Amino acid sequence: NAGVTQTPKFQVLKTGQSMTLQCAQDMNHNSMYWYRQDPGMGLRLIYYSASEGTTDKGEVPNGYNVSRLNKREFSLRLESAAPSQTSVYFCASSEGPVPNGYTFGSGTRLTVV
Amino acid sequence: SQQGEEDPQALSIQEGENATMNCSYKTSINNLQWYRQNSGRGLVHLILIRSNEREKHSGRLRVTLDTSKKSSSLLITASRAADTASYFCATGPDTGRRALTFGSGTRLQVQP
Repeated sequence: NAGVTQTPKFQVLKTGQSMTLQCAQDMNHNSMYWYRQDPGMGLRLIYYSASEGTTDKGEVPNGYNVSRLNKREFSLRLESAAPSQTSVYFCASSEGPVPNGYTFGSGTRLTVV
Repeated sequence: SQQGEEDPQALSIQEGENATMNCSYKTSINNLQWYRQNSGRGLVHLILIRSNEREKHSGRLRVTLDTSKKSSSLLITASRAADTASYFCATGPDTGRRALTFGSGTRLQVQP
């Protein structure tokens, strides 16, 4: 049982490049989330999807887009990467829109140079 | 802005001692949760306490919640070197955005 799988684990981008971070869960969870983690700042919510077919902005959505491709997959896209987007990105999922406990992926460490 | 603020930011104790971490938050909540993160890994859910509960236990973990003070504490009893990690509180709102808001975390070091 894989839980939440994120790819890639590491990525280096040049400023202005684009990329998509992939996330898939195999627990039949309805809700999925993208967070970023910066040193000393905990996790900040970028976007979330309370159910298949819906997405909503979080605390720090600027510079990102998301797609809830189906119930299993929730991708995060950086259209034009900036050094300020250097961070560790975590995907998480939960059973329902009232978050009773997340299952996290292992993260993507992104560096933008 | 961070909903939860944790105190202390870092804590170093000896194996066998108890570790206490505190979390304060700002808005009304549906529940409060604690997570653990080992270095370089994702977060792992430890325990959830609902807004109508005051105390909850799970193994060596004890969580308290005081909604009048908007605060929670996590107690780890008889700590082990393997408990070395960062611990985060997260609040689930009772209205509005349907996602957890995380604090900045407490780094716990348990010396063998």
